[in-house]
Amino acid sequence: EADIYQTPRYLVIGTGKKITLECSQTMGHDKMYWYQQDPGMELHLIHYSYGVNSTEKGDLSSESTVSRIRTEHFPLTLESARPSHTSQYLCASTDSSIGGYTFGSGTRLTVV
Amino acid sequence: AQSVAQPEDQVNVAEGNPLTVKCTYSVSGNPYLFWYVQYPNRGLQFLLKYITGDNLVKGSYGFEAEFNKSQTSFHLKKPSALVSDSALYFCAVRAGNFNKFYFGSGTKLNVKP
Repeated sequence: EADIYQTPRYLVIGTGKKITLECSQTMGHDKMYWYQQDPGMELHLIHYSYGVNSTEKGDLSSESTVSRIRTEHFPLTLESARPSHTSQYLCASTDSSIGGYTFGSGTRLTVV
Repeated sequence: AQSVAQPEDQVNVAEGNPLTVKCTYSVSGNPYLFWYVQYPNRGLQFLLKYITGDNLVKGSYGFEAEFNKSQTSFHLKKPSALVSDSALYFCAVRAGNFNKFYFGSGTKLNVKP
């Protein structure tokens, strides 16, 4: 069973709406990440966090914002959705050792 | 600069034949290397990793990978491919300050019956 949960799995929303994609992990990992991925394409890091109250922008510019108020929770918010935001959003976490990422199942967002 | 390259966008192989998905890397310091698999509309699943020790690493679903330091490669292999292995495969390296991963662009594996 996955220890990192993303909701919703699928979302269709109208242009201009505000949305929040949820990501929670139960492993106590300090580092969390958001990636954007078009179907079958490479991953682009858009946000990451190394701990509570720590957030950074990733390699790909994004109009979204994130917060990290609790260790286990790393939500991503789009204030005003646009069709160009249509994509899959993947959340991941890792600890401070040399292990790998654990990924959530992703949220597939469609903005119409 | 840290980087990972997967030179093949797509690999086609017949069921029962051996498969190889290539990955090369460029990092400063010792690399920690990973392979992930992604099925349609899903997140990435961990397959295997190389941290240190034996250059041949065995992972999930019968996959293995060989670390070659001189060639800076970490190719994914399987002796006998299954149709169910058809998916998108990503190579990744954790290096530098170990806080970020660098992913390759992905290789789509097609296994034909």
